[in-house]
Amino acid sequence: DAEITQSPRHKITETGRQVTLACHQTWNHNNMFWYRQDLGHGLRLIHYSYGVHDTNKGEVSDGYSVSRSNTEDLPLTLESAASSQTSVYFCASSDLAWDTQYFGPGTRLTVL
Amino acid sequence: AQSVTQLDSHVSVSEGTPVLLRCNYSSSYSPSLFWYVQHPNKGLQLLLKYTSAATLVKGINGFEAEFKKSETSFHLTKPSAHMSDAAEYFCVVSEGSARQLTFGSGTQLTVLP
Repeated sequence: DAEITQSPRHKITETGRQVTLACHQTWNHNNMFWYRQDLGHGLRLIHYSYGVHDTNKGEVSDGYSVSRSNTEDLPLTLESAASSQTSVYFCASSDLAWDTQYFGPGTRLTVL
Repeated sequence: AQSVTQLDSHVSVSEGTPVLLRCNYSSSYSPSLFWYVQHPNKGLQLLLKYTSAATLVKGINGFEAEFKKSETSFHLTKPSAHMSDAAEYFCVVSEGSARQLTFGSGTQLTVLP
């Protein structure tokens, strides 16, 4: 069955370190998205991609970057982790950009 | 521009009683509307979606939602709550032109025994 996976599931890091969160999907979807979820804010869009070599900034992109070298993967990089980036991060993919998104299980990131 | 407002941050019901989670949306065009559910420490799962076909949409686990254009609402209902329904629910709107989903802030549903 097709799925979307994220790794690691839990990560603790220190302020200033670079961190990369992996997202891999086997749906063969062109569209992929990264969100962060914080109490009281629902899900906020960080970055998204509509296809290979395409990346776009979302609502809360400062301090984050993504790259898309193939259809299956969209890694999220925190260039210099800050305590404000402590959050739960979700990756999602979709066939049509405005249609149903399929979510990964999430990565809980703690920045000390 | 599209936006969505979930009118209740917390809803508490007794097991076996009806569930109503309220959602209003704003959209310049004919929107697609979704309800997602998130159980503790899990990812989001699609409950149901509306895409301009029937205005009453049936989803998984006995949930349904009615699209009311005149009221710009898309409320989620279930006739009889089960303990396993305890979770957070997100109302989501999408416009084709925006090519993105906009999430509400979520409603935490508690089911009391």
